[in-house]
Amino acid sequence: AQSVAQPEDQVNVAEGNPLTVKCTYSVSGNPYLFWYVQYPNRGLQFLLKYITGDNLVKGSYGFEAEFNKSQTSFHLKKPSALVSDSALYFCAVRRYYTGTASKLTFGTGTRLQVTL
Amino acid sequence: EAGVTQSPTHLIKTRGQQATLRCSPISGHTSVYWYQQALGLGLQFLLWYDEGEERNRGNFPPRFSGRQFPNYSSELNVNALELEDSALYLCASSLNRLTSYNEQFFGPGTRLTVL
Repeated sequence: AQSVAQPEDQVNVAEGNPLTVKCTYSVSGNPYLFWYVQYPNRGLQFLLKYITGDNLVKGSYGFEAEFNKSQTSFHLKKPSALVSDSALYFCAVRRYYTGTASKLTFGTGTRLQVTL
Repeated sequence: EAGVTQSPTHLIKTRGQQATLRCSPISGHTSVYWYQQALGLGLQFLLWYDEGEERNRGNFPPRFSGRQFPNYSSELNVNALELEDSALYLCASSLNRLTSYNEQFFGPGTRLTVL
């Protein structure tokens, strides 16, 4: 079985400050990790993914994420938050599976609130 | 390039009725996924179709069913609607099922309200 934990329901940060949204995962074998963002009344938008290689992954809108295998974490980061970053963020994991693809499992989401 | 489209945007039904939701994937994508996003429950995986076949199914009762057509569009059917089926239903598509690292692209969703 595979699972994702997003320990914070909400993260509050002032505009211009760095932000971190936490994610830990559990999966057998090698993981593929994803971050998505959801704005109100909208579908999910893909931000970035980790497949292999460099542990620091850069994505859309200035976001990046750091893969840490020993801590089974994939935290989302941004050096300087914007009010427009306020949204619901989902971490997801998929297991590498020979021959076919496994399903994508999402965390429960973290609401990011950026204030002036 | 057109994204994933879903119809209708909103759907209002009463208990016991049937609902049909539709999804058109991005051109070239063969895999279609359905998720339920109920208030406070995050995204729950419902169904996954690829090349016309059901590849995986989430922990939902059999009254949730669907199919994928030869043009890779998909339909989600929910029979005998219950109040707790009220949710945002999201469809996503991705390239073929053989690679786990392909990201999924989501549609805007269908908001189903059961009265």
